[in-house]
Amino acid sequence: GAVVSQHPSRVICKSGTSVKIECRSLDFQATTMFWYRQFPKQSLMLMATSNEGSKATYEQGVEKDKFLINHASLTLSTLTVTSAHPEDSSFYICSASLGAGVRETQYFGPGTRLLVL
Amino acid sequence: AQSVSQHNHHVILSEAASLELGCNYSYGGTVNLFWYVQYPGQHLQLLLKYFSGDPLVKGIKGFEAEFIKSKFSFNLRKPSVQWSDTAEYFCAVKGWYGGATNKLIFGTGTLLAVQP
Repeated sequence: GAVVSQHPSRVICKSGTSVKIECRSLDFQATTMFWYRQFPKQSLMLMATSNEGSKATYEQGVEKDKFLINHASLTLSTLTVTSAHPEDSSFYICSASLGAGVRETQYFGPGTRLLVL
Repeated sequence: AQSVSQHNHHVILSEAASLELGCNYSYGGTVNLFWYVQYPGQHLQLLLKYFSGDPLVKGIKGFEAEFIKSKFSFNLRKPSVQWSDTAEYFCAVKGWYGGATNKLIFGTGTLLAVQP
């Protein structure tokens, strides 16, 4: 149980284009999903918290106009990297939370490797 | 602000050796504690978690962790490692204050290599 998928697993795009990454909770409903970025040999850094039916909450330093997040249903959140540049190349990971309050646990997707040329 | 430190960046063990990975956090309030594992080419998987109650938590694949509140620690242990335990291990902490949760903060990870 608690399986989270991401699509695509890897994407290569030209500078200036937009890329959409999907995150789905396959066997549970997730009111809250999270988007992380992982740099090589570093830990996961939270980019934003996505709540179903409301605007995402972005972490300090994350441009909300560049990283558009939509959480239209309890099983799907999307991250769109707009006008991507080479410095946006990274590994993007989503998670979906199961349980509520003090019992909340995040389950992670397999990640999407983005390379911007 | 919350922070998590994992002291060992790389650990190399022979099969059947015992494992202990350190994790310390800084946060004065109530915490939820997690260990995640990332096997080569795979995504983060939950190994075990602590919310409350018995500070000794048992997880999957023979792993356990002990929450020592006075030391702000949540070390991961396994009595006898296998080659298949080769992976990167992340400690994560989520703090609670005033009924609201803080975000999940990850340590920098420990890369474990088990030699057959």
